[in-house]
Amino acid sequence: AQTVTQSQPEMSVQEAETVTLSCTYDTSENNYYLFWYKQPPSRQMILVIRQEAYKQQNATENRFSVNFQKAAKSFSLKISDSQLGDTAMYFCAFMKLYNDMRFGAGTRLTVKP
Amino acid sequence: DTGVSQDPRHKITKRGQNVTFRCDPISEHNRLYWYRQTLGQGPEFLTYFQNEAQLEKSRLLSDRFSAERPKGSFSTLEIQRTEQGDSAMYLCASSWGLAGDSNTGELFFGEGSRLTVL
Repeated sequence: AQTVTQSQPEMSVQEAETVTLSCTYDTSENNYYLFWYKQPPSRQMILVIRQEAYKQQNATENRFSVNFQKAAKSFSLKISDSQLGDTAMYFCAFMKLYNDMRFGAGTRLTVKP
Repeated sequence: DTGVSQDPRHKITKRGQNVTFRCDPISEHNRLYWYRQTLGQGPEFLTYFQNEAQLEKSRLLSDRFSAERPKGSFSTLEIQRTEQGDSAMYLCASSWGLAGDSNTGELFFGEGSRLTVL
């Protein structure tokens, strides 16, 4: 079974600063996807960024980037130039190819003005 | 298409009553997932369908829970004889389930159905 661990229940960052959220996972699979989802207060989950395990290059999406370390089974999210709208729960997720998605417990991020 | 829709958004019921939630996925998606999320926790997988076939069920899905997707479009999740421990947000998501460029693995989520069992 796959497990996803987010060891930081809460984090805060000053507006315009950079923050890194941690995620580790456990799997025996070689091909899989990893995701970061954002869940703003009382709103639906939306995808922030995704990474295919077979790609060595780290994914980037504007201010969001990941540090994917396959051997270490680590998948951290870096948010640059943090904005107030980044305040949300962030969930790391793992998916075997064409299968179901499993989530970590989440990190509550607060961006302070 | 406006995305994944769930109904009702909120449901308050008394212990022992039955409740049913409906999910309408994005029309071109053939996979549909149900998750349960309690306050401050990540979504827990319950079950998923590819078209009308239920491919996997979590052991969290006790005998009181049943999910259907009769025509491979919308899905229902029924909870019989509700218990206070069933109080949670029930999330539905949909995706492409086939190999190919259109399959990014991404799940598209609805806003959820919040259940409160008194």
